[in-house]
Amino acid sequence: NAGVTQTPKFQVLKTGQSMTLQCAQDMNHEYMSWYRQDPGMGLRLIHYSVGAGITDQGEVPNGYNVSRSTTEDFPLRLLSAAPSQTSVYFCASRPLTLAGGGGGTDTQYFGPGTRLTVL
Amino acid sequence: GNSVTQMEGPVTLSEEAFLTINCTYTATGYPSLFWYVQYPGEGLQLLLKATKADDKGSNKGFEATYRKETTSFHLEKGSVQVSDSAVYFCALVGGATNKLIFGTGTLLAVQP
Repeated sequence: NAGVTQTPKFQVLKTGQSMTLQCAQDMNHEYMSWYRQDPGMGLRLIHYSVGAGITDQGEVPNGYNVSRSTTEDFPLRLLSAAPSQTSVYFCASRPLTLAGGGGGTDTQYFGPGTRLTVL
Repeated sequence: GNSVTQMEGPVTLSEEAFLTINCTYTATGYPSLFWYVQYPGEGLQLLLKATKADDKGSNKGFEATYRKETTSFHLEKGSVQVSDSAVYFCALVGGATNKLIFGTGTLLAVQP
């Protein structure tokens, strides 16, 4: 298993450019999510998905779009990059646990991250 | 909503010192609690977890006990090593949304 993979590892954009951060997992996990990591703020949830065709917003969704056409892939799109989106982005996946009201007990697996700089 | 508060760093210790990183949480119901570790230049990986009150998670010499009465999940290690230098994140999953919510992270630097 490759686990969770992300591409690219590094990216520099100019303000207003668009790009897609790729994320894939080969563990057949239903739940996938995107986080951004900023100094002093920990990891903040951008968007998440509980299965193919189903996505929802996290804490900081503005400026980002996602789609989930397959179980394996969960790309994150920046339609018009802004300097405030300079950050390290992590994709994650885990099985979806629905028992007991939804509290998940399963380990979440993270990708290696994409370091994005917007000039 | 759910939230996690952990002590601010950086925490600087000498090798073989005792480590405590405090973590408290706010959540409805009975969340699952986690500690994740991020080594320099890498992604996050699970260190340990506890899924119900009074459970103790342990791994690589680290321990944390799920204390519902104090809503805490403090991370401890009896003797740290230089290789433990990393950022440690406390996190929880609770409620119907299955979202994993993180604290802000604590940087640990262990000096030889």
